[in-house]
Amino acid sequence: DGGITQSPKYLFRKEGQNVTLSCEQNLNHDAMYWYRQDPGQGLRLIYYSQIVNDFQKGDIAEGYSVSREKKESFPLTVTSAQKNPTAFYLCASSRLAGTDTQYFGPGTRLTVL
Amino acid sequence: GQQVMQIPQYQHVQEGEDFTTYCNSSTTLSNIQWYKQRPGGHPVFLIQLVKSGEVKKQKRLTFQFGEAKKNSSLHITATQTTDVGTYFCAGPIKASKLTFGTGTRLQVTL
Repeated sequence: DGGITQSPKYLFRKEGQNVTLSCEQNLNHDAMYWYRQDPGQGLRLIYYSQIVNDFQKGDIAEGYSVSREKKESFPLTVTSAQKNPTAFYLCASSRLAGTDTQYFGPGTRLTVL
Repeated sequence: GQQVMQIPQYQHVQEGEDFTTYCNSSTTLSNIQWYKQRPGGHPVFLIQLVKSGEVKKQKRLTFQFGEAKKNSSLHITATQTTDVGTYFCAGPIKASKLTFGTGTRLQVTL
């Protein structure tokens, strides 16, 4: 059953701790993306990767880091430098980089206490 | 900066009424995509429009791409409670990635 998985669905952390969100896809897609969504708001791009071992900053990359060591995986680390980390984080992938249709995972709701 | 704006931000309709959301880009787009996000869920791709003036239908949903390829609309005929959610348009403002619109949240009541 192909798709994108994100884990965990809900995550709680104390302020000052780094936390890593998982994103895995078995769609054989080249491109992967991380978005942040705040309540009642749109999608803001954090980082994206067009191919393995390559990634670029999106519109709100400060306080976040990523890696793309495998085609299937694109983990996002929310560091203690991110001032307001509580949000809904969505991972997506597309067959090709650029303007191809994006397929989203179920998301991770991160709450920093 | 270059943006994709949607109006209205929110609309509340009675079941059976029609609904339209409009998407406007600051620049000409090669294509426009529409996504739907149910409450508590994730965005799901609905459709892509590529040609100037293109109109596509999916049951009660009608999608249109403007002649100048800078705007688009989604019209829902006779809304149902299953239409509840936020509708996003998305277009390639920059070559390497999609830019999502601000979204229109639709609430439908009986």
